[in-house]
Amino acid sequence: IEMTQSPSSLSASVGDRVTITCRASQGISNYVNWYQQKPGEAPKLLIYAASSLHNGDPSRFSGSGIGTDFTLTISSLQPDDSATYYCQQSHIPPFIFGRGTKLEIK
Amino acid sequence: EVQLVESGGGLVQPGGSLRLSCAASGFTVSNYDMHWVRQVAGKGVEWVSAIGTAFDTYYSDSVKGRFTMSRENAKKSVYLQMNNLRGEDTAVYFCARDRRVADGYNDFDYWGQGTLVTVSS
Repeated sequence: IEMTQSPSSLSASVGDRVTITCRASQGISNYVNWYQQKPGEAPKLLIYAASSLHNGDPSRFSGSGIGTDFTLTISSLQPDDSATYYCQQSHIPPFIFGRGTKLEIK
Repeated sequence: EVQLVESGGGLVQPGGSLRLSCAASGFTVSNYDMHWVRQVAGKGVEWVSAIGTAFDTYYSDSVKGRFTMSRENAKKSVYLQMNNLRGEDTAVYFCARDRRVADGYNDFDYWGQGTLVTVSS
């Protein structure tokens, strides 16, 4: 299963609504996770099972999708959201990650 | 507090071997699947291997036949034996815990800080 993530990078302003997409090469129900990674740190789980927010993560993050098309949305971008975001197929090995989306704050 | 601490990285020549360790604390490691994930400097993350609670193992195609993952629950540790190393194996290697919130749903809720492996002559 391949995970095609887009865009590879984007720049947005504080307060903007941001959407990152991930397309699976075959239907995978809702077996998708989203991670956030900041420079020099390990990735951090944000969203699991496509739309469930991980404990402690800000509610401005949300996920949706089922089958082959998935989205990560940040409702109101904050300066701390500058990071790289990865989707991941989560059902069976290999647990493929997307190539990442680098999000910069204007 | 859950912690994962990797060790064993370093410089190794092509064709050489290295064994990475991941020491777990703050949870019962025998109850969790565990993974290794790697990241080339400036690039994305790549899933490498997994070991289940029943000691079943899984590998990416890029390392199958060269890497072996194991666990010692009594020592609260998982390992990655890497043989026949290549330049393209140069990366930071992360250990991660699989929370498996429900059957078939695997997600990595805790990660170590990573250990750097450099394969070069």
